[in-house]
Amino acid sequence: DGGITQSPKYLFRKEGQNVTLSCEQNLNHDAMYWYRQDPGQGLRLIYYSQIVNDFQKGDIAEGYSVSREKKESFPLTVTSAQKNPTAFYLCASAGQGKTQYFGPGTRLLVL
Amino acid sequence: AQSVTQLGSHVSVSEGALVLLRCNYSSSVPPYLFWYVQYPNQGLQLLLKYTSAATLVKGINGFEAEFKKSETSFHLTKPSAHMSDAAEYFCAVSGSSGTYKYIFGTGTRLKVLA
Repeated sequence: DGGITQSPKYLFRKEGQNVTLSCEQNLNHDAMYWYRQDPGQGLRLIYYSQIVNDFQKGDIAEGYSVSREKKESFPLTVTSAQKNPTAFYLCASAGQGKTQYFGPGTRLLVL
Repeated sequence: AQSVTQLGSHVSVSEGALVLLRCNYSSSVPPYLFWYVQYPNQGLQLLLKYTSAATLVKGINGFEAEFKKSETSFHLTKPSAHMSDAAEYFCAVSGSSGTYKYIFGTGTRLKVLA
């Protein structure tokens, strides 16, 4: 089945620790996105990539980093510089039709 | 610049009643418009999209939306609410040129009363 997978479903971060969220798609989409979701604030764009080996900052990139070494994969690292990382993180991808399709999400919690 | 406003962070309807969720947008280019639904602790699922074809768009689960350029609106409707429609709904806008970036509204949580 084609789709987007995110892992893990839940992730716990200790203070000062970097953690990496996985996002994989087998839809052959060129574009991929990371969003952060907080209650009452909708979705905010962290980073996006329109092609392999290239990515751009979104609206709230500080404290996060990404890579796009393969078309299928777009991992997000939450660094220790992100002081308020507790949120629900959503990955999406889009093909030529511009419609974004979303993964199931990862909930990040701070210990 | 683009923006989306969803009026009403919470909407309650009785089962069988009309569902109306409001979305107004601003865009300096012809917009693409989307409605997504999110169930608790899940990702977003596409309900329907407007991409400059027919102004009345039909989606999944009996939902539809009408693009009204003069009112800069893209309200989501369903004639008869079902208990399974209880979820959070997001409206999003994207420019028809350039990147595929979306701007999302803050969401409307729909509650369906028995």
